[in-house]
Amino acid sequence: DAGVIQSPRHEVTEMGQEVTLRCKPISGHDYLFWYRQTMMRGLELLIYFNNNVPIDDSGMPEDRFSAKMPNASFSTLKIQPSEPRDSAVYFCASSLDGGTQYFGPGTRLTVL
Amino acid sequence: GQQVMQIPQYQHVQEGEDFTTYCNSSTTLSNIQWYKQRPGGHPVFLIQLVKSGEVKKQKRLTFQFGEAKKNSSLHITATQTTDVGTYFCAGPHARGFGAGTRLTVKP
Repeated sequence: DAGVIQSPRHEVTEMGQEVTLRCKPISGHDYLFWYRQTMMRGLELLIYFNNNVPIDDSGMPEDRFSAKMPNASFSTLKIQPSEPRDSAVYFCASSLDGGTQYFGPGTRLTVL
Repeated sequence: GQQVMQIPQYQHVQEGEDFTTYCNSSTTLSNIQWYKQRPGGHPVFLIQLVKSGEVKKQKRLTFQFGEAKKNSSLHITATQTTDVGTYFCAGPHARGFGAGTRLTVKP
């Protein structure tokens, strides 16, 4: 298996632009997680899905952030409009049973 | 949701010294996982502990789960420069990762 796939790996955008991050989980995994990592706040859980249904989105910072999982093999995290404070590394992870998580390589987002 | 607290936040050791990081929860955990993130990399799963009092070893790494299943530890014997990174503990079902312990090793 190729593991969790994320795209793009790097994204540089200007404040106010829309940003879409993509994730393909490991085939057969029923759980998908989105995390944000910064030096200041560490690794934060933003939202997670079980069987394509959002279960807990309490970590989503504000209405500018939205996440979807239209099918078992694809998820997106969208930021609209983006702000400089959104600059971070965004990780997607998947899990077979909600326990052990397998992380993707991350997307490094820079908002100027 | 429940959270896990991890200490210390940073640890700097001389190569060959031992290292320990601790993870604590206010509630009982059904299991706990440990991850390692190398600088510039992503968290990688190391191990999962499930049973009360469980001890597991991976070469120089020893993982323990407390009797009450509320705390856990990771001990590295005789650290090497390859051990550098941040070590995270995590509760089950996305109950949160600890803040991590960043380990640096001076050769």
